[in-house]
Amino acid sequence: EPEVTQTPSHQVTQMGQEVILRCVPISNHLYFYWYRQILGQKVEFLVSFYNNEISEKSEIFDDQFSVERPDGSNFTLKIRSTKLEDSAMYFCASSLPTNSNQPQHFGDGTRLSIL
Amino acid sequence: GDSVTQMEGPVTLSEEAFLTINCTYTATGYPSLFWYVQYPGEGLQLLLKATKADDKGSNKGFEATYRKETTSFHLEKGSVQVSDSAVYFCALNRGGYQKVTFGTGTKLQVIP
Repeated sequence: EPEVTQTPSHQVTQMGQEVILRCVPISNHLYFYWYRQILGQKVEFLVSFYNNEISEKSEIFDDQFSVERPDGSNFTLKIRSTKLEDSAMYFCASSLPTNSNQPQHFGDGTRLSIL
Repeated sequence: GDSVTQMEGPVTLSEEAFLTINCTYTATGYPSLFWYVQYPGEGLQLLLKATKADDKGSNKGFEATYRKETTSFHLEKGSVQVSDSAVYFCALNRGGYQKVTFGTGTKLQVIP
């Protein structure tokens, strides 16, 4: 079964540094998403992306964050100047290009640790 | 806005016990409802879904019925196994490409 893959599985970064989290969505999916889960808390929506532009973003997704689809397969989340509170598990998801109720498929996540 | 409320955990059960994890939601319209499962050290996997009132989603012995009158989507399993130990998330979305709203998750521990 096709999967969403994320790299790296764990990223350790010094506060203030830039970090890029990478995702390869399922190949025929056209909607892409990022979510995060701070340890012990609920999974929170960050941003959705379609047709090379942001469809929706949450209050969490401020100017420090950006997303990009640099080629036909990758989908990235960049955090420009990381803060301690950015430490979390970040999940990428993708879904089919339809208005029907297709579920989003999630990757295994990248654990981001800010020191 | 949309929200999902699920029962607090952790829930500890003996193997072969009956499981219920309660979930209620608040949303306008007719959202789709999901249960996702997160096994230790792994990502989120879709367990089951229901897209309209009275639909029953089922998978791996788990079931949940979309109850619009009570805005609920409780997860049940008749006989749990140690391998079911995980965190279970109730979730909804308005369909299509819209964001998924998650509950806080319920940790289930099944002991032999």
